[in-house]
Amino acid sequence: TQLLEQSPQFLSIQEGENLTVYCNSSSVFSSLQWYRQEPGEGPVLLVTVVTGGEVKKLKRLTFQFGDARKDSSLHITAAQPGDTGLYLCAGVPLGGSQGNLIFGKGTKLSVKP
Amino acid sequence: NAGVTQTPKFQVLKTGQSMTLQCAQDMNHEYMSWYRQDPGMGLRLIHYSVGAGITDQGEVPNGYNVSRSTTEDFPLRLLSAAPSQTSVYFCASSPTGGPYTDTQYFGPGTRLTVL
Repeated sequence: TQLLEQSPQFLSIQEGENLTVYCNSSSVFSSLQWYRQEPGEGPVLLVTVVTGGEVKKLKRLTFQFGDARKDSSLHITAAQPGDTGLYLCAGVPLGGSQGNLIFGKGTKLSVKP
Repeated sequence: NAGVTQTPKFQVLKTGQSMTLQCAQDMNHEYMSWYRQDPGMGLRLIHYSVGAGITDQGEVPNGYNVSRSTTEDFPLRLLSAAPSQTSVYFCASSPTGGPYTDTQYFGPGTRLTVL
């Protein structure tokens, strides 16, 4: 059973468009993280959200943690080719071992010039 | 600082062979972990360590052994490789406690093929 469901799995858009990626679960999470991974490299942490309803912004990227801490979204405004990559959400389930980070399967984003 | 380093970058094994994937970090991080990444599966935690001498199992530990004799090194051993272990393996580290509280830094990965 996949605890974290990401959608869409693939997304291909033109430069300048906006997009939203979703990370959903039926379980409550202590925190959720978003990573970006480029081909041949390890994931790089973008943000950690901890409080229900929390919104964090990183330049053109906006991250939101759901009020019930079961879901999160990543919104990119005016996407650029440099945003291309695999976006992964990850979290520690409430009550679970803090060392045991669960990853979603990822959203592969392609931004065409 | 080199960050998190992994060797080798690529490896091909035959079924039944054993090998050790090396992972080292020079940031004095307490927490280290190993993940495998398969197409369409995201990353799955194999083993992790919250400090030297302490290890624990993650989601998919079968077929893998780990030890943590120093803060810097966290090798992953495959005792008898199987084709199902064909994957990309990532090592990661974070300062204290684990990924819940800290930024986790990933190595560049080892691409393993088992024939």
